[in-house]
Amino acid sequence: QKEVEQDPGPLSVPEGAIVSLNCTYSNSAFQYFMWYRQYSRKGPELLMYTYSSGNKEDGRFTAQVDKSSKYISLFIRDSQPSDSATYLCAMSHPTSGGSYIPTFGRGTSLIVHP
Amino acid sequence: DAGVTQSPTHLIKTRGQQVTLRCSPISGHKSVSWYQQVLGQGPQFIFQYYEKEERGRGNFPDRFSARQFPNYSSELNVNALLLGDSALYLCASSWTTGNTEAFFGQGTRLTVV
Repeated sequence: QKEVEQDPGPLSVPEGAIVSLNCTYSNSAFQYFMWYRQYSRKGPELLMYTYSSGNKEDGRFTAQVDKSSKYISLFIRDSQPSDSATYLCAMSHPTSGGSYIPTFGRGTSLIVHP
Repeated sequence: DAGVTQSPTHLIKTRGQQVTLRCSPISGHKSVSWYQQVLGQGPQFIFQYYEKEERGRGNFPDRFSARQFPNYSSELNVNALLLGDSALYLCASSWTTGNTEAFFGQGTRLTVV
């Protein structure tokens, strides 16, 4: 079992839909939870990060962490064709050296069609 | 302000050769991390350097090595290339070793033939 599981999709939705992207994890030591967006042939771009459980909102994006279920979600409201990309979840915990090394999911491919 | 820059953008090498990839972090960032991203997978951590010291190493063979220079730029070296080393190599920079606000470059696409 991988530490971080993410459905690769693709997830196809009409413009304006609410999108829900999810990851599950097995390591209860994870403390920080991140979401990245990656366009084809580009590097990942940080969307949001959260610490501990709860919700965090930034514009059309809401990140949700449920530590008891080891489940995180990213919601995108009013989705646009420009949101079409691969969405990567990542999570980290402190190492013995004090660094936080992220473990990434495999990414979910999102297609928003007009 | 310039983002993370990586060079070269594309590279084709033959099995057994050696390759050096370069990364310049965002100005003021002292931490540089390297990742390997195979097609269809998420990035996998290779190394982290902070203030020129190695602060983390992923599960990669000794053929992979890296270093960080006094200006915080970094190089990733891979020796004795294998076909399986073909991937997108990503560099990310951040202020500290926390990596919660890491900024990625656009990567170097390495093809081993």
